[in-house]
Amino acid sequence: AQSVTQLDSHVSVSEGTPVLLRCNYSSSYSPSLFWYVQHPNKGLQLLLKYTSAATLVKGINGFEAEFKKSETSFHLTKPSAHMSDAAEYFCVVSDRMNSGYSTLTFGKGTMLLVSP
Amino acid sequence: EAQVTQNPRYLITVTGKKLTVTCSQNMNHEYMSWYRQDPGLGLRQIYYSMNVEVTDKGDVPEGYKVSRKEKRNFPLILESPSPNQTSLYFCASSLGGTGSNYGYTFGSGTRLTVV
Repeated sequence: AQSVTQLDSHVSVSEGTPVLLRCNYSSSYSPSLFWYVQHPNKGLQLLLKYTSAATLVKGINGFEAEFKKSETSFHLTKPSAHMSDAAEYFCVVSDRMNSGYSTLTFGKGTMLLVSP
Repeated sequence: EAQVTQNPRYLITVTGKKLTVTCSQNMNHEYMSWYRQDPGLGLRQIYYSMNVEVTDKGDVPEGYKVSRKEKRNFPLILESPSPNQTSLYFCASSLGGTGSNYGYTFGSGTRLTVV
């Protein structure tokens, strides 16, 4: 069985400072990992994904994540926060079922607050 | 434009009155799924479908039904809604297949309130 733990329910940063959103996972197989962002009253948008290629993944809007198998982590970072980054972020693990199809398991989300 | 379309976006209904939330995708995806999002709980899977006429329960299926008569459509049915089904619902689709690295496309969400 797979699971995802987002270590912080809320993260507050000032505009222009670095962002770190933490995510740990457990999975029976070699998983795929995703970060999704949800702005207020909007749907979910894919930020980036790891699918067993390069361990450092670059996404949209300057976000990056590094897959560390030894630490079972997939933390999301950005060098400099922008006001428009304020949103809720979800770490997601995708694992293969016996059927051959995959299923998604979501973390509980981290709300990123950016102050001027 | 490739997309997943849900309707309605907002719905207020009364306890016990049957309702259907529609979901349609135009990407010829095999895999479709319904999630509900509640504060502090993230997204939890209700039902999923691996192809036409193939559906299965997710983590929180109680009180919901689905059908997959056509590849593009995957409606969510609440036969007798109750207040604990007040939530934000998302439909998603994916190519699926034998890999686990396909991205998912999400609809814009349906905010349901049951009074």
